[in-house]
Amino acid sequence: KNQVEQSPQSLIILEGKNCTLQCNYTVSPFSNLRWYKQDTGRGPVSLTIMTFSENTKSNGRYTATLDADTKQSSLHITASQLSDSASYICVVSGGTSYDKVIFGPGTSLSVIP
Amino acid sequence: SAVISQKPSRDICQRGTSLTIQCQVDSQVTMMFWYRQQPGQSLTLIATANQGSEATYESGFVIDKFPISRPNLTFSTLTVSNMSPEDSSIYLCSVSPGAGSWEQFFGPGTRLTVL
Repeated sequence: KNQVEQSPQSLIILEGKNCTLQCNYTVSPFSNLRWYKQDTGRGPVSLTIMTFSENTKSNGRYTATLDADTKQSSLHITASQLSDSASYICVVSGGTSYDKVIFGPGTSLSVIP
Repeated sequence: SAVISQKPSRDICQRGTSLTIQCQVDSQVTMMFWYRQQPGQSLTLIATANQGSEATYESGFVIDKFPISRPNLTFSTLTVSNMSPEDSSIYLCSVSPGAGSWEQFFGPGTRLTVL
C-alpha cells in the first residue's frame, strides 16, 4: 500500500534553533517528493521538489534531503523564526498522474520565543 | 506561480443544504483540482476539474454529492450537496501548469462547518 509517514507528529522549538523533520514513504513507483508549508487557515505552499536523482534541495533556511534507496526524506530548518510555526507536509508522487499523489499527515511545528 | 482565490473563505451551513465554492486563478492553467482536508488530517483529492467536460472523481467521491464545473481555464466551482456534519472540512482548490510540471499551487481554502 502506498503510504507517506511523517515524524514527529508535533514539535516545539525555541526561536533560533534548528530542527529536522522526517518523512518515510512506501510509494512505488516513485516520481518526485515535495515539501509544503501550511500556515493555519491557509493553503499549502511549496518549499522544495526533488526527483529521483536529486539528493538535496535548498530554499533559503529550508534544506530537504532525499534518499531514494531507503525511501526517506528530511526537511531541515535552520535558525528557526516565529513565522516558521506551521504544518509541514511531505508529498510523494507515485506515477505520472495526479491521482497517484500521496500527502503525508504533516508535522506541526511551533517556534516559541 | 499562480494566485488562487476562493469564495467563500468560510461558512456555517445547516444539514441538508448545499454550498457552492468558487475558485478563481489569475492565469490560465491546464490542471485544476479539488481537495478536502478534514480536521487534523492531510489532504485528500476529491476530483480533477476538466475544462469543457465532466470532472474525474477519486474513489469514494461521486458527482451527485460533489458536482464540479469548469467553464474555462481560470475558474471552477465545487458544490457540496445535501450536507451532513461529516462534510465539515476545509476544501482547497489547487492548480498545476501540467505539461510535465509537478508544481502545485493551492488556494487559501474554504472552511465549512455543517451543523
